[in-house]
Amino acid sequence: QSVLTQPPSASGTPGQRVTISCSGSSSNIGSNYVYWYQQLPGTAPKVVIYTDNQRPSGVPDRFSGSKSGTSASLAISGLRSEDEADYYCTSWDGSLGGWVFGGGTKLTVL
Amino acid sequence: QVQLQESGPGLVKPSQTLSLTCTVSGGSISSGSYYWSWIRQPAGKGLEWIGRIHTGGSTHYNPSLQSRGTISVDTSKNQFSLRLSSVTAADTAMYYCVHGGSPSGSEFDFWGQGILVTVSS
Repeated sequence: QSVLTQPPSASGTPGQRVTISCSGSSSNIGSNYVYWYQQLPGTAPKVVIYTDNQRPSGVPDRFSGSKSGTSASLAISGLRSEDEADYYCTSWDGSLGGWVFGGGTKLTVL
Repeated sequence: QVQLQESGPGLVKPSQTLSLTCTVSGGSISSGSYYWSWIRQPAGKGLEWIGRIHTGGSTHYNPSLQSRGTISVDTSKNQFSLRLSSVTAADTAMYYCVHGGSPSGSEFDFWGQGILVTVSS
């Protein structure tokens, strides 16, 4: 059971906008930054959003992040086949004293 | 750009100690104020943070490990290591060494390719 809650799956057709949610608590998302990672099959995760809503260089502006209270979201607009991957949210948990992850969301591009 | 490479045995017997090393290139492990972490992922499952060490030497571990983990640094070899004692089948996973991850606002920016460790007799 993951500390952060994500839907196990999400899907969309090319060009659509998809949103993946991440729910936590006051000790993690509610008081610390949220990060989003993309994991393509057989590879290490790669950050796509850091500090709630910032995009690293090289990540398309189709990716965006937001946060409200104890929940966060990753939105991908103009969906493309190469976006098909597992996505994980993470945040520092001040009560546990460590990083906590969501269980991951498998995004399928139909 | 920092590069990380995990090494160690791919098979460990139950009740024994898992030992992995991460070799860092492209930067000094002891310079600046950075965190070096271990993260694992059982096959088909999600990510789990194991613990981290700061360039200043302080360590933090996931409480779920119940004090089985130890992370250390060898600055002379530009390496950091993980030791996980009393392993069981539940410790079978891909293990990644990772740079970054400060709660004050830095992501896990550089990852090793991962090393698969199987716990089996």
